[in-house]
Amino acid sequence: AQSVTQLDSHVSVSEGTPVLLRCNYSSSYSPSLFWYVQHPNKGLQLLLKYTSAATLVKGINGFEAEFKKSETSFHLTKPSAHMSDAAEYFCVVSDRLDTGRRALTFGSGTRLQVQP
Amino acid sequence: EPEVTQTPSHQVTQMGQEVILRCVPISNHLYFYWYRQILGQKVEFLVSFYNNEISEKSEIFDDQFSVERPDGSNFTLKIRSTKLEDSAMYFCASSQGPGLTGTDTQYFGPGTRLTVL
Repeated sequence: AQSVTQLDSHVSVSEGTPVLLRCNYSSSYSPSLFWYVQHPNKGLQLLLKYTSAATLVKGINGFEAEFKKSETSFHLTKPSAHMSDAAEYFCVVSDRLDTGRRALTFGSGTRLQVQP
Repeated sequence: EPEVTQTPSHQVTQMGQEVILRCVPISNHLYFYWYRQILGQKVEFLVSFYNNEISEKSEIFDDQFSVERPDGSNFTLKIRSTKLEDSAMYFCASSQGPGLTGTDTQYFGPGTRLTVL
């Protein structure tokens, strides 16, 4: 069975400093991995996705993530936080289950606060 | 940029009542989904829908739930007899393809917050 663990429920950074949101996954097969962001009263917006091509994936708004199979990690980073980055971030894995069905599994989310 | 819309943004209902949550997917998308997020818990997959039938459903999606595409634009989730534990944020999503690999992205709506009293 697949699962996703977001290691921090809350992360607080100062504006202009780096952001690191951690995600570990477990999967029996070759997964696809995603990061979604949710701003207040908005839908879930795709930030970036890993599709078994390049292991370093660049997304929107300066975010990137690196797929590390040996560490089963897909951490999200940004070199310099902006106030508008304050939101909830979800790590998501798509994988084939034992039943043969594919499904998206969400992490529990990390709330990012950006201090001025 | 096209987006998924959902109505209402907030629905309050009495236990035992039927509710219908509405979604308008992106117009050229063929695959549709419902997810829910109980307060403080993870987003959970409920059901996927393609070609006018359910293609996948989770254990949560029992006989109290149904989905329908009544016309060319709307996609609805019906809960027949709501329970207290149905209180959650319900997200609709759509994709051009199966939406479960990196080649087909699922686009999500802003959600409907359902409160069952």
